[in-house]
Amino acid sequence: DQQVKQNSPSLSVQEGRISILNCDYTNSMFDYFLWYKKYPAEGPTFLISISSIKDKNEDGRFTVFLNKSAKHLSLHIVPSQPGDSAVYFCAASGTGGFKTIFGAGTRLFVKA
Amino acid sequence: NAGVTQTPKFRVLKTGQSMTLLCAQDMNHEYMYWYRQDPGMGLRLIHYSVGEGTTAKGEVPDGYNVSRLKKQNFLLGLESAAPSQTSVYFCASSYERAGELFFGEGSRLTVL
Repeated sequence: DQQVKQNSPSLSVQEGRISILNCDYTNSMFDYFLWYKKYPAEGPTFLISISSIKDKNEDGRFTVFLNKSAKHLSLHIVPSQPGDSAVYFCAASGTGGFKTIFGAGTRLFVKA
Repeated sequence: NAGVTQTPKFRVLKTGQSMTLLCAQDMNHEYMYWYRQDPGMGLRLIHYSVGEGTTAKGEVPDGYNVSRLKKQNFLLGLESAAPSQTSVYFCASSYERAGELFFGEGSRLTVL
């Protein structure tokens, strides 16, 4: 029973273009969503987050969009750079809860 | 400032052996977590702690035990290792409940 789903195992994008990573969730109690980035042989690092009271949050080249009615969020990277090549995890947590639930991850390849 | 440190980084066990993974954080965080990462499964929460002396079960707690005797340390134990516990284990800590997680570099465990 995956509460957070990333249905695309991998994505390949040309340098300078937009990368769009998608995430769906099933638990209506989730109200805080995060994206983490992971390089090989390293731990995940926090990238950007969004609260359920917003529908968009932007930080430099990274923007996260939240569609609560569709239980869907997406991470946009513009412009994509080769250094963005990594695995991206979508994560969610709920009010009053202590647990953060992760998706399976999407491996992004940015080609020079 | 070391952040989150995990030891050991690599370990090979035989089925039935026991071992302990140590996680230490120097950020004075209340919340600590143990995750395992498996291909296609993302990060799954094993156990977590909301403060010194507390522990709670996550998504996949069976076969593992934990202890949080000191605020800065969170230990993950395998009493009788099984091949299904071959994985990469990540420790994480956070300042806020279910907030941004700070991860260690991971511990790769192989059970033969």
